[in-house]
Amino acid sequence: NAGVTQTPKFRVLKTGQSMTLLCAQDMNHEYMYWYRQDPGMGLRLIHYSVGEGTTAKGEVPDGYNVSRLKKQNFLLGLESAAPSQTSVYFCASSYSKGIGELFFGEGSRLTVL
Amino acid sequence: AQRVTQPEKLLSVFKGAPVELKCNYSYSGSPELFWYVQYSRQRLQLLLRHISRESIKGFTADLNKGETSFHLKKPFAQEEDSAMYYCAPLNSGYALNFGKGTSLLVTP
Repeated sequence: NAGVTQTPKFRVLKTGQSMTLLCAQDMNHEYMYWYRQDPGMGLRLIHYSVGEGTTAKGEVPDGYNVSRLKKQNFLLGLESAAPSQTSVYFCASSYSKGIGELFFGEGSRLTVL
Repeated sequence: AQRVTQPEKLLSVFKGAPVELKCNYSYSGSPELFWYVQYSRQRLQLLLRHISRESIKGFTADLNKGETSFHLKKPFAQEEDSAMYYCAPLNSGYALNFGKGTSLLVTP
C-alpha cells in the first residue's frame, strides 16, 4: 500500500520551461490537494479537488494549473516556470473534509533558475 | 479574514521540561482544529484533532474559544519530539489552512 506518491521528487527547471508534477493515491480518497512549502511561510494551498473531474483554487493558485481526470491522480502543471515557484510541493489526499486527516506525499523539490 | 498564527518560529527546551506550542486563530464560527507534525525526513502527518480530545505521544491540545487558541502541550518533552509542528484549522471550504509552523528542538 503506497499511500500518496509524488513524481518527480526533484527537478530543476529554467525560467519559462513547463513541467507537470504527478500525485497518485491508492486509498480511494475523494479529496486531493497541492500545497507548497516555503521557509517561514508554512504550507500554502495551491489548488484542490473534491472529486474526479473537479478542481478549485486555493490560496496561491496563480501560475499553476491542475487536472483530476482520474480519481487517483491529481496533476499540478507549471506552464511557464518562474524563480518564485522554487519550492517544495506537497500533495495530500483525504477521505472527506470533515475528518480532516490528510495523507501527505514525500514532497517534490522544484528549483527554477 | 481567516487566519492562523503560530507566533514562535523556533522553540527550544530541555528534555523533561514542559513544552507549549502556541496557536491562535481568527475564524468565524467553530472551526475544526488539528495539529500536524513533520519529523526529520518523514512525511507530514496528523498528530491530533480537537474534536476527538485525544492524547497522542503525550501531547494534548485544548481549544479555548474565548481566546481563539489551540495550544499544543506536553508536560515532559522528549528528544524524539524534535520536529516541525503545524496548527491547521479546517477552513470554511474543503481544505486545511496551515500555520507557518513552529520548529521544536528538545535538547538533552
